[in-house]
Amino acid sequence: DTEVTQTPKHLVMGMTNKKSLKCEQHMGHRAMYWYKQKAKKPPELMFVYSYEKLSINESVPSRFSPECPNSSLLNLHLHALQPEDSALYLCASSQVSDGRREQFFGPGTRLTVL
Amino acid sequence: DAKTTQPTSMDCAEGRAANLPCNHSTISGNEYVYWYRQIHSQGPQYIIHGLKNNETNEMASLIITEDRKSSTLILPHATLRDTAVYYCIVRNAGGTSYGKLTFGQGTILTVHP
Repeated sequence: DTEVTQTPKHLVMGMTNKKSLKCEQHMGHRAMYWYKQKAKKPPELMFVYSYEKLSINESVPSRFSPECPNSSLLNLHLHALQPEDSALYLCASSQVSDGRREQFFGPGTRLTVL
Repeated sequence: DAKTTQPTSMDCAEGRAANLPCNHSTISGNEYVYWYRQIHSQGPQYIIHGLKNNETNEMASLIITEDRKSSTLILPHATLRDTAVYYCIVRNAGGTSYGKLTFGQGTILTVHP
């Protein structure tokens, strides 16, 4: 299995809602990543988890809360989002978190905040 | 990580080789050159990476100049399904960067029938 899966595919939420995005991989990878991609822009890194520990937070607002419950699963909890947070949220994984190993990306969750 | 410069867009005829250039003149000795592509509305897809030597896999070839300041991704026989945004990324091997991928604007490759 060489796939990263993300659910849901699409999500529409209001500014007062709480929702979660889920990402799963069964490749035995020990590094997982969240990226945000606005329309017609390149992906931007948000968080890096290495061996289930948060290694990088790219100064992401606290309304985004990542969680890595185990080595196969990565969540992104959303609360009190703004319309400008509407974007494609991409999850990725790699064997380890160093530059010698490629990252495998999921298809993304397209989020719309009303 | 070193920055990269790519042309904004390129065209290629179906069946011909697509040669995508990338400049990375400030690359340092422990930085890899990576190529990813993103087909519309999908997640990025890894293509190939290299450090010093030329590399080839089932998707593409990567040619890195001897001084490592530039590289070319070659898709030997482009098909319509290769139409995508191609990202050239220079990436630190380790340290505190934790394998960070920093995407630039990329090259929009359009393959024509």
